Amino acid sequence: SAVISQKPSRDICQRGTSLTIQCQVDSQVTMMFWYRQQPGQSLTLIATANQGSEATYESGFVIDKFPISRPNLTFSTLTVSNMSPEDSSIYLCSGTGGQRETQYFGPGTRLLVL
Amino acid sequence: SQQGEEDPQALSIQEGENATMNCSYKTSINNLQWYRQNSGRGLVHLILIRSNEREKHSGRLRVTLDTSKKSSSLLITASRAADTASYFCAINAGNNRKLIWGLGTSLAVNP
Repeated sequence: SAVISQKPSRDICQRGTSLTIQCQVDSQVTMMFWYRQQPGQSLTLIATANQGSEATYESGFVIDKFPISRPNLTFSTLTVSNMSPEDSSIYLCSGTGGQRETQYFGPGTRLLVL
Repeated sequence: SQQGEEDPQALSIQEGENATMNCSYKTSINNLQWYRQNSGRGLVHLILIRSNEREKHSGRLRVTLDTSKKSSSLLITASRAADTASYFCAINAGNNRKLIWGLGTSLAVNP
């Protein structure tokens, strides 16, 4: 099974700044996803990170606010840009691939914007 | 919305008792998956049931699927304090690996 790590695990940021979250998978995965989860809430898919091309964003999420990179099959970054307190959340990355239909998850990044 | 709905939102039981959580959805599915999340950490996959399956077991877990009612249930038997977590259902409905998530059930198992 794949192991996914995320950095940072948590951060406290000032409004108007940006934070880049890194996601590393220990084996190749076909698809990588970025989610947002408000405390006590469900997961909301932000985008699918595509290797070597632009991410595919879900309704309500735009590239200018959440730029995503995926330079290879095992690494992706999500940037939360021009942050406001409403961006305070847990950000999760996940991966899947091959015949697997389920997703492996990273431990998440807890973000607090003041 | 295609989002799954789970009930109950919160469940508190004693160790040794069984816990049942339900999930309903609105669209045709390829499969339905259950995940566990401890204390806002990453999610762990528990069990996947395909649209042509009605019941599946894994250890103390039993999942049922009724596609005519668009609903699923997760039963945890002989619960333990370590089962305390949030449980989410997620459906795969398209021709990709994207999942649509339910609202989750928060389970507390008291020693």
